[in-house]
Amino acid sequence: SQKIEQNSEALNIQEGKTATLTCNYTNYSPAYLQWYRQDPGRGPVFLLLIRENEKEKRKERLKVTFDTTLKQSLFHITASQPADSATYLCALSNNNAGNMLTFGGGTRLMVKP
Amino acid sequence: DARVTQTPRHKVTEMGQEVTMRCQPILGHNTVFWYRQTMMQGLELLAYFRNRAPLDDSGMPKDRFSAEMPDATLATLKIQPSEPRDSAVYFCASGLVLGTQYFGPGTRLLVL
Repeated sequence: SQKIEQNSEALNIQEGKTATLTCNYTNYSPAYLQWYRQDPGRGPVFLLLIRENEKEKRKERLKVTFDTTLKQSLFHITASQPADSATYLCALSNNNAGNMLTFGGGTRLMVKP
Repeated sequence: DARVTQTPRHKVTEMGQEVTMRCQPILGHNTVFWYRQTMMQGLELLAYFRNRAPLDDSGMPKDRFSAEMPDATLATLKIQPSEPRDSAVYFCASGLVLGTQYFGPGTRLLVL
């Protein structure tokens, strides 16, 4: 069966350090993968999209890697700040259905000052 | 700043009552999604529309849930009759084909 796995345990890091979140998947061949941020009481907000033929994507302090052999994406936040504290969701496309996405369970990140 | 809007933001109702949730997608977006989010199940897709036509509602309990797009500016999700297990946050999202999804603020539903 298809699975998207994100670490359900919260990730606690010190301000200024690099946060690394993992998204593993099985039985998918996604055309692209997206990362979203969700704050308490709010809807998810899009951060980055990476396509299957791309290895790495960057946006300001964010970096995403996509390894289709390992079936894994890593999401990095460099020079983390307390304002980066949130839940981060990865989402995989369904090749047969336009931009329909399946979301992982999310990882909560806590950045301590 | 274009946003997806949802109403109501909060809804408390009794078991057996009908619940209607509304969504206004971003103007120009041709795909609309309904999701349900709970602590246990995470974010689950309920329905997917493209150009107002339903493309996928396999995640939706058909006996009590229905989703429609009467026009391009309105999507509705109805639950009739509602049950306590339907308590969740319901999100609407819109986007363009092969693009990102823009989520609304959600409707927090509590069925007693």
